[in-house]
Amino acid sequence: EVHLVESGGGLVQPGGSLKLSCAASGFTFSGSTMHWVRQPSGKGLEWVGRIRSKANSYATAYAASLKGRFTISRDDLKNTAYLQINSLKTEDTAVYYCTRGVGGDARWGQGTLVSVSS
Amino acid sequence: DIQMTQSPSSLSASVGDGVTITCQASQDISNYLNWYQQKPGKAPKLLIHDASNLETGVPSRFRGSGSGTYFTFTISSLQPEDVATYYCQQYGDLFTFGGGTKVEIK
Repeated sequence: EVHLVESGGGLVQPGGSLKLSCAASGFTFSGSTMHWVRQPSGKGLEWVGRIRSKANSYATAYAASLKGRFTISRDDLKNTAYLQINSLKTEDTAVYYCTRGVGGDARWGQGTLVSVSS
Repeated sequence: DIQMTQSPSSLSASVGDGVTITCQASQDISNYLNWYQQKPGKAPKLLIHDASNLETGVPSRFRGSGSGTYFTFTISSLQPEDVATYYCQQYGDLFTFGGGTKVEIK
């Protein structure tokens, strides 16, 4: 069974940085594209970005509105994907989800909450 | 970037009513569309994949149809446990989500 567990969220001051983790199990992580999606409280889902597999050169892509402060990486030996967020703003406050797969293979983690406040 | 226009943003219907939500893509996405249900405090749950395929274990009152740029999601007989927000998601080119439809019981 596919299992995705996000961690690393918490309360951060504006201007700070945070690195979220997504631990994966139950599927061939190294061959999978991993995505990050975020959701501010009471609002809709926003795609953040994705990282492809080694076979696809670990290619990354990001939402145009978020380019520059977000970096997605992965460690296939640890079956873990990461989302680094720099220069955090109050509007980055959200639950951050990692997801894998498309179509009927889509699976989501339970999310981790990032709160940006002074 | 592909834009997804979902409507309505909210709806209220009686138990047993049929409800329909639509999603329009800004360009052809074939059948690369999923529908999700999300309840407060929970991760989105996949209901329909590839535009019209019911996810295993999901009640048959949920149905999806469409291809290209126009898609519909229907609940044939609304139940109290269907109160939630529903999202469409395209994966034809990266990901984009519709704005969501909040479904309530009248």
